[in-house]
Amino acid sequence: SAVISQKPSRDICQRGTSLTIQCQVDSQVTMMFWYRQQPGQSLTLIATANQGSEATYESGFVIDKFPISRPNLTFSTLTVSNMSPEDSSIYLCSVEGTSGVTYEQYFGPGTRLTVT
Amino acid sequence: QKEVEQNSGPLSVPEGAIASLNCTYSDRVSQSFFWYRQYSGKSPELIMSIYSNGDKEDGRFTAQLNKASQYVSLLIRDSQPSDSATYLCAVPLDGGKLIFGQGTELSVKP
Repeated sequence: SAVISQKPSRDICQRGTSLTIQCQVDSQVTMMFWYRQQPGQSLTLIATANQGSEATYESGFVIDKFPISRPNLTFSTLTVSNMSPEDSSIYLCSVEGTSGVTYEQYFGPGTRLTVT
Repeated sequence: QKEVEQNSGPLSVPEGAIASLNCTYSDRVSQSFFWYRQYSGKSPELIMSIYSNGDKEDGRFTAQLNKASQYVSLLIRDSQPSDSATYLCAVPLDGGKLIFGQGTELSVKP
């Protein structure tokens, strides 16, 4: 499976500011996704990062709040804008690979964000 | 609204016992199903995928799928304290995105 890295691994930010999270993969991948995991909760998909076009956002998530870039097949960024304490979560990028039989998704190590 | 349901637990089993984790899903057209393990403070790790009815075994792990009942389970034989984690069931939707259950917390007591 691909090796996925994320920067930063954690951060503490003031409300009203923005943070950009980077996701780097060691091989070219077609599909990249961004998820959020709020404290004590499961994972919720924010958006699909599309290479060369605008990201596809899930219900409840908007581009103004979570702008995403995907400049090439190995890299993506997620920005959390105008942060509030409710944005305190773990943000995870994932990539789709194949086992040869089915498509599978692998996660990066995550970015733990605390907003004060 | 497509949903994935899991018993939230916590599920506590003694070391050496079989841990049984269950998952039901609402989407009848789902073809693949995934089990992820998430240790506290870590990201989810894929431990099993299954796409055919029946059983799939990988070491101490066995996934069981019944598409007619929309039910998938994960059995962990000879449970070890290192298996203590949250286990997440996930179902792929159109476009490859995953929908997750709420996770089952497993605790294996020495």
